Amino acid sequence: DIQMTQSPFTLSASVGDRVTITCRASQNINTWLAWYQQKPGKAPKLLIYKASTLESGVPSRFSGSGSGTEFTLTISSLQPDDFATYYCQRYNPFSLAFGQGTKVDFK
Amino acid sequence: QLQLQESGPGLVKPSETLSLICTVSGDSLSSPSSYWGWIRQPPGKGLEWIATISHSGGTYYNPSLESRVSISGDTSNNQFSLRLSSVTAADTALYFCARQGGHKIFGVVPYWGQGTLVTVSS
Repeated sequence: DIQMTQSPFTLSASVGDRVTITCRASQNINTWLAWYQQKPGKAPKLLIYKASTLESGVPSRFSGSGSGTEFTLTISSLQPDDFATYYCQRYNPFSLAFGQGTKVDFK
Repeated sequence: QLQLQESGPGLVKPSETLSLICTVSGDSLSSPSSYWGWIRQPPGKGLEWIATISHSGGTYYNPSLESRVSISGDTSNNQFSLRLSSVTAADTALYFCARQGGHKIFGVVPYWGQGTLVTVSS
């Protein structure tokens, strides 16, 4: 089974910071990767799919990159609404798995 | 507007079977390229995919849970269900139902229910 590993586990940042979260797959997953944002007590929200395609309605300060086994989610200028936990998720027919999550909190 | 609503007991005894229903509105279980899934999240932990059923009734399971899980669909009532047998405290979690198949991709999950907390305890 293909495992997903995110880093860091926690990230402390300030409004306006550029933030980067890394996700590594234990095997090649091409660009079969999505990113989600989750706030406490809420369902996750889809941000990016196919590693770099922004979901409709998601602010352009979010971007994704990578292919194969290494991927990144970047927030170009952190906004107050962005403090949350972020999950990467691989999907390959027909199976899903999530990374362990990265919590972005206030520095 | 697509909406998903989970329902079921909030408390299940160890060794018993957990049963949940997801009621869908604003879309049809039979919509082409649609997939309907269950994902759970233990308190304070990450997300774990459990199972998925396709628009044509095909089923897909997380290998780590497959021996205890069953997913089924009821197109007449536009609902799909989860059964998880022989539960233990480790199955205590917030259970989400979800609409997969966003952008015609099995694993992309654009729509989620609000989640229902299931506690396994005697």
